[in-house]
Amino acid sequence: GIQVEQSPPDLILQEGANSTLRCNFSDSVNNLQWFHQNPWGQLINLFYIPSGTKQNGRLSATTVATERYSLLYISSSQTTDSGVYFCAVARGGNEKLTFGTGTRLTIIP
Amino acid sequence: DSGVTQTPKHLITATGQRVTLRCSPRSGDLSVYWYQQSLDQGLQFLIQYYNGEERAKGNILERFSAQQFPDLHSELNLSSLELGDSALYFCASSPGSANEKLFFGSGTQLSVL
Repeated sequence: GIQVEQSPPDLILQEGANSTLRCNFSDSVNNLQWFHQNPWGQLINLFYIPSGTKQNGRLSATTVATERYSLLYISSSQTTDSGVYFCAVARGGNEKLTFGTGTRLTIIP
Repeated sequence: DSGVTQTPKHLITATGQRVTLRCSPRSGDLSVYWYQQSLDQGLQFLIQYYNGEERAKGNILERFSAQQFPDLHSELNLSSLELGDSALYFCASSPGSANEKLFFGSGTQLSVL
């Protein structure tokens, strides 16, 4: 199946810092989504972004489908940004989302 | 709040037992997906139902089964439970049957003792 690699695996930052999370995938995809799993375990959909760039407040994401990677940018980090960020992808047809192993982000006050 | 409701939030049971997890999708969504999250396997797709019919199957064990009812809520049945079945089980929903933006419920934490 498709391989999804996320980097870095862990990231510890001071409040107010900016960060970039990366997702590499091994095959062409027609679906890519970013999720945030907060410390209470809830999975929140941040972006549906199979290609192009989207922004939502302090978060933005860019997917370069031809080069098989996506980036999630978090600016002016807040402690509530802590948690695990997952990238999930799917190829065409009826294939379901394959999740990466995640990036654990810890924001220190 | 994603609009997807899962019950119960926590479940503690013994090996060999059977449990049922319940999911109500967002209003208007016809697809329900079940995912399992464990420390060793990560987040894995189990099964999808669309408008009452099984649509896709992933890494679902034969001891596990699911169904979607006419009111579109879904149940995941886990039987002959083993210690390794301990995990966080998520339900997600989407409007159609194809790959779309998924909205996840808050999950059911299953502990098999």
